[in-house]
Amino acid sequence: DTGVSQNPRHKITKRGQNVTFRCDPISEHNRLYWYRQTLGQGPEFLTYFQNEAQLEKSRLLSDRFSAERPKGSFSTLEIQRTEQGDSAMYLCASSASGQGSVPLHFGNGTRLTVT
Amino acid sequence: GENVEQHPSTLSVQEGDSAVIKCTYSDSASNYFPWYKQELGKRPQLIIDIRSNVGEKKDQRIAVTLNKTAKHFSLHITETQPEDSAVYFCAAFLNDYKLSFGAGTTVTVRA
Repeated sequence: DTGVSQNPRHKITKRGQNVTFRCDPISEHNRLYWYRQTLGQGPEFLTYFQNEAQLEKSRLLSDRFSAERPKGSFSTLEIQRTEQGDSAMYLCASSASGQGSVPLHFGNGTRLTVT
Repeated sequence: GENVEQHPSTLSVQEGDSAVIKCTYSDSASNYFPWYKQELGKRPQLIIDIRSNVGEKKDQRIAVTLNKTAKHFSLHITETQPEDSAVYFCAAFLNDYKLSFGAGTTVTVRA
């Protein structure tokens, strides 16, 4: 499967713990996105990378959240001191850059449950 | 930023009938409008998209229309089948990189 890959698929953690998720985008895609999806809602934009540069962060991304894409390939999303309100599906997507807008391709997501 | 409104939130149709989902967006600079289908526990998958220089696009049983003046766009599914049951999301693309989603429509096709 050459699509967007996310690990782990599920993560259960206790409140206050730190968690880290990984995303491997489609290899030729230089844009990478993180979204959060809660039950009954559409995905909400968290952050965006063009190669290794993080170009935008949503106000949803508190200082407990940090994302990196050190070599412009895979990305990690870390949540420190998790809270119950962080429970959600975290989706990664990638796209190629070019003239005009191009489709985003999503991974299967990491479902986080904070107990 | 962009705000996308989607209606209805749920839609139940008889197999073979048509389904229509409508979305509005707020930022006139948005120029690309994809639609995603998400089955339970699975990733959102792109099913059709339309760019701002086009008014309508069709792909087999699926069509999308765009009215830039009114800032709304719609998804039309004809001859619905049970496998069309899923959650559908509209989205609007701003500044060529930022995709904002509607809240989704749960479509149920009754056999």
